[in-house]
Amino acid sequence: GDSVTQMEGPVTLSEEAFLTINCTYTATGYPSLFWYVQYPGEGLQLLLKATKADDKGSNKGFEATYRKETTSFHLEKGSVQVSDSAVYFCALSVSGGYQKVTFGIGTKLQVIP
Amino acid sequence: GAVVSQHPSWVICKSGTSVKIECRSLDFQATTMFWYRQFPKQSLMLMATSNEGSKATYEQGVEKDKFLINHASLTLSTLTVTSAHPEDSSFYICSARGILAGGYNEQFFGPGTRLTVL
Repeated sequence: GDSVTQMEGPVTLSEEAFLTINCTYTATGYPSLFWYVQYPGEGLQLLLKATKADDKGSNKGFEATYRKETTSFHLEKGSVQVSDSAVYFCALSVSGGYQKVTFGIGTKLQVIP
Repeated sequence: GAVVSQHPSWVICKSGTSVKIECRSLDFQATTMFWYRQFPKQSLMLMATSNEGSKATYEQGVEKDKFLINHASLTLSTLTVTSAHPEDSSFYICSARGILAGGYNEQFFGPGTRLTVL
């Protein structure tokens, strides 16, 4: 079946540090890949996505590139801010059927001043 | 982007009572709605998928008689937790998928409902 593996947190970084959160996947079809963010006490928000190999999704300074050869979709940001503190979920969705989304376990990021 | 709302945002109930959670797509018609459950410090687990006017498809291990799902219209789905017990306490999140203006098919998540059963 489809699955997403991402590094467990928590990840603690100082403000302006470089962020990488690793994500790898297995899928029976050709998936679209997503990063969602969940701020404390809130629901999920789509952060970025990529729908085909070599696509780069980007938003709010975050980037992730769809790497089919390594089945990866690592999230990066060059300079994190305190306001980036949240839980980040890597996810995939395979086209066809109901297109349900499969989530990774989530990585908690804490940015300290 | 499109908006999905949930009501209530949080609810506390006594053990043995039933609780209904509503999920609405506010500015698009949702052909499919999904219900997820999230335990503390864990990922979202899909509970069921529902299409308007048809019975929901439940994931393995989810009791369909305990978690009643109704998708009465293209903008409303409800999840009823029947005879709730403390182990049902969780964060319930719905999402809706539909065709937006321009033919774009996307899935949007609601803000979640926190259920606490005493």
